Amino acid sequence: GAVVSQHPSWVICKSGTSVKIECRSLDFQATTMFWYRQFPKQSLMLMATSNEGSKATYEQGVEKDKFLINHASLTLSTLTVTSAHPEDSSFYICSAGLGEDTQYFGPGTRLTVL
Amino acid sequence: GNSVTQMEGPVTLSEEAFLTINCTYTATGYPSLFWYVQYPGEGLQLLLKATKADDKGSNKGFEATYRKETTSFHLEKGSVQVSDSAVYFCALREASKLTFGTGTRLQVTL
Repeated sequence: GAVVSQHPSWVICKSGTSVKIECRSLDFQATTMFWYRQFPKQSLMLMATSNEGSKATYEQGVEKDKFLINHASLTLSTLTVTSAHPEDSSFYICSAGLGEDTQYFGPGTRLTVL
Repeated sequence: GNSVTQMEGPVTLSEEAFLTINCTYTATGYPSLFWYVQYPGEGLQLLLKATKADDKGSNKGFEATYRKETTSFHLEKGSVQVSDSAVYFCALREASKLTFGTGTRLQVTL
């Protein structure tokens, strides 16, 4: 089946630094990629939807200047958490869309900001 | 707005026991409903889906029926195995957007 990878799988950074998370569709091209955030014991919350070659669409309440999304190619989307703070610590999950109906999910990236 | 509520876990069962994980939803329109499963260290995988009322989704021995009258999509399996241990997420999709429940951890023991 279709595989989506994320890198890194976990990262620890100091407050005030920026962190980039990569999401790759390994064996298919994805015109749309999605970024989710998951807090402990809570559901996945959609942060933004990105289409290759265009600006991402952010959900209400998500700061676009803080969570920069770049969808540079049909197989790669990146999420950069800028000037990270401890409250940004979370589990970030991406998915890649294949057709109208299907999303394939990456394994997630755990971010800890000290 | 849309929301999904599923039973809190963890659910611990012995192998070959019957499984039910409850899921109810609130939606403004007529969503498609999904169950995703997440095995340790892996991404969410689609387990089954149903796109309209009274549809039954099934896969790997798991079943769920889209009940519009009770706004429910409960997941069932007649005989669980240790390999079914995972986190199960109920979700709905409306206008290309997925809304997830909080996930239910299932632990199956010998």
